[in-house]
This record gives sequence, C-alpha cells and structure tokens, in this order.
Amino acid sequence: KQEVTQIPAALSVPEGENLVLNCSFTDSAIYNLQWFRQDPGKGLTSLLLIQSSQREQTSGRLNASLDKSSGRSTLYIAASQPGDSATYLCAVSGFIFPQGGSEKLVFGKGTKLTVNP
Amino acid sequence: DARVTQTPRHKVTEMGQEVTMRCQPILGHNTVFWYRQTMMQGLELLAYFRNRAPLDDSGMPKDRFSAEMPDATLATLKIQPSEPRDSAVYFCASGLALAYPYFGPGTRLLVL
Repeated sequence: KQEVTQIPAALSVPEGENLVLNCSFTDSAIYNLQWFRQDPGKGLTSLLLIQSSQREQTSGRLNASLDKSSGRSTLYIAASQPGDSATYLCAVSGFIFPQGGSEKLVFGKGTKLTVNP
Repeated sequence: DARVTQTPRHKVTEMGQEVTMRCQPILGHNTVFWYRQTMMQGLELLAYFRNRAPLDDSGMPKDRFSAEMPDATLATLKIQPSEPRDSAVYFCASGLALAYPYFGPGTRLLVL
C-alpha cells in the first residue's frame, strides 16, 4: 500500500528566504507526482505535475524534482513571499498495467508554510 | 473560468440525520472524484466515476455512504445515518482521464 510522508509538518520562514519542502513515498511504481497548494477553507490547486519519466518541473519561482528510485520529491520555492503561505500537499498516482496511470491519488498530510513579512 | 462547484459549503447536522452533498463538475470532464479530508487521516479517496459509471468506491464505508451521478452535470454523496466521526471536509474533483483533477471548494460537515 502506497504511503506518502511530508516533512516537516509545519515551517515558518522570513520573507525572501529560499526553502525546500520534502515528500517521500514508499512504492516507487508511480505514474506521476503532483504538488498542490491548499489555502485555509479552500480547495486544492495543482501547482506542478511530474511524470515518472521526468526529473523536474518548473513554474515561476517553484521547482519540483523527482527521484523515483529513492522515493523522494522536493518542492523548492525561491524568494518566498507572504502570499506563499498555505499548506502544500504532495500526491502520487500509481501505475496500472497495461493502461498506464491510475487516477487514484494518494496524498501526504501536507506541510503548512508560513512566510513572515 | 471553469470551476467545480459544491453545495452546501457548510453543513451542521445531528447524529442519525441524512446528509446529501452535491457537486457540479467542470463541463466536459469525464472523471469525478470524492475525497474526504480530516486532520488525522489527511485526504482520502472515497470514490470516483468515469463517464458516470463508478470505477472505485473501495474507500467508502458501504453501510452508510453512497455516491451517484444522476447525470453528467451532477454528482451526489449521501451519508445515512450520519455519525460524529463523519465530520470532515468533503471535496469533489473533476478531470479528464489521467490528467490532474480540479478540486471544488469542499463541503465542511459537522455531525453533532
């Protein structure tokens, strides 16, 4: 059974700092990995999706890397801003033979990020 | 700007009552998911549909939960009877097969 762990559970940093959020998963047979952002009282917004054949994806100040063999992904946020304060969730989808990926996402419990002005 | 809509946004009910949550997926999306989020368990998949047919509901307590898609524009999740342990935020999400899902704002349920 796939398990996804995110460390740390909470992180507080001063504005402008570069930071890394970590995600690990137990089964390396994944189809893709996604990073989501969740604001208080809101739904989830997809930030980045990395296919299992890829090593990283970038969007603006965000960069996500994937090391499937070691079961790890990191989300790097450059020059953090107070508007980045949110909970960041990592989710993986499994691989089903022969059709490919599964739509079923297994989520970590998230890292709550606070960026202080 | 296409969005997944969920109603109600908040629901407070007493133990034993029936609860119905509704979701309108994004037009054209053929896959609909129901997730539940709690502090202890995080986000868990309850059920999902493809082209209105249930594909997997293994995450759902069968004795009290039921999920349906009466038509392509409406998905429902019912709890009968509700229990305090059902208190959670229930998210609906929609997408195209194997593409990442778009999440609704959630229904925050409190069962007293």
